Amino acid sequence: QKEVEQDPGPLSVPEGAIVSLNCTYSNSAFQYFMWYRQYSRKGPELLMYTYSSGNKEDGRFTAQVDKSSKYISLFIRDSQPSDSATYLCAMKKGGGNKLTFGTGTQLKVEL
Amino acid sequence: GAVVSQHPSRVICKSGTSVKIECRSLDFQATTMFWYRQFPKKSLMLMATSNEGSKATYEQGVEKDKFLINHASLTLSTLTVTSAHPEDSSFYICSARDLSGQGSNSPLHFGNGTRLTVT
Repeated sequence: QKEVEQDPGPLSVPEGAIVSLNCTYSNSAFQYFMWYRQYSRKGPELLMYTYSSGNKEDGRFTAQVDKSSKYISLFIRDSQPSDSATYLCAMKKGGGNKLTFGTGTQLKVEL
Repeated sequence: GAVVSQHPSRVICKSGTSVKIECRSLDFQATTMFWYRQFPKKSLMLMATSNEGSKATYEQGVEKDKFLINHASLTLSTLTVTSAHPEDSSFYICSARDLSGQGSNSPLHFGNGTRLTVT
């Protein structure tokens, strides 16, 4: 079993839809959780960074962490075609350097 | 925000030659940088951790003699793919952490990657 599971998609939604992206993990030692957006042929761009369980909001993006269920989510409101990209979840143990990534979910927002 | 610059963005080389990729932290100092490799539709795989002024730490299965890492200053790390072969063709991405925030728990910022094609 992989430490981090993420549905690769592709996920296709109409413009304006609410998008829900999810990752599950098996290692309870993970304490820090990140979401990255990666456009084709580019490096990942940090979107959200959370530590505690609960919600964190930044503009149209909301990151949700449920440590008891080992489940994290990223919600995108009012999705735009420019949101079309691959979204990677990543997580880290406290004090360590190594990030463990999901495989990424490919999202396409259509006009 | 923290900016990591990677150069070149794309390189094509012949089999048997060596290629050097540079990674710079532009607005912060990075004692540690990380080199990742990404295959199409696959997750990022950590290859090695580059430590300023000391030897790099390689992940299991990564050949240190093939992927030479040098971290000569607080803002520059280089990855040299030696005697490149077609199977080394991949997307290589560096990253660094701005320690001025939450120290070792600060998030990683990534360069834009280098697409290496070995013919």
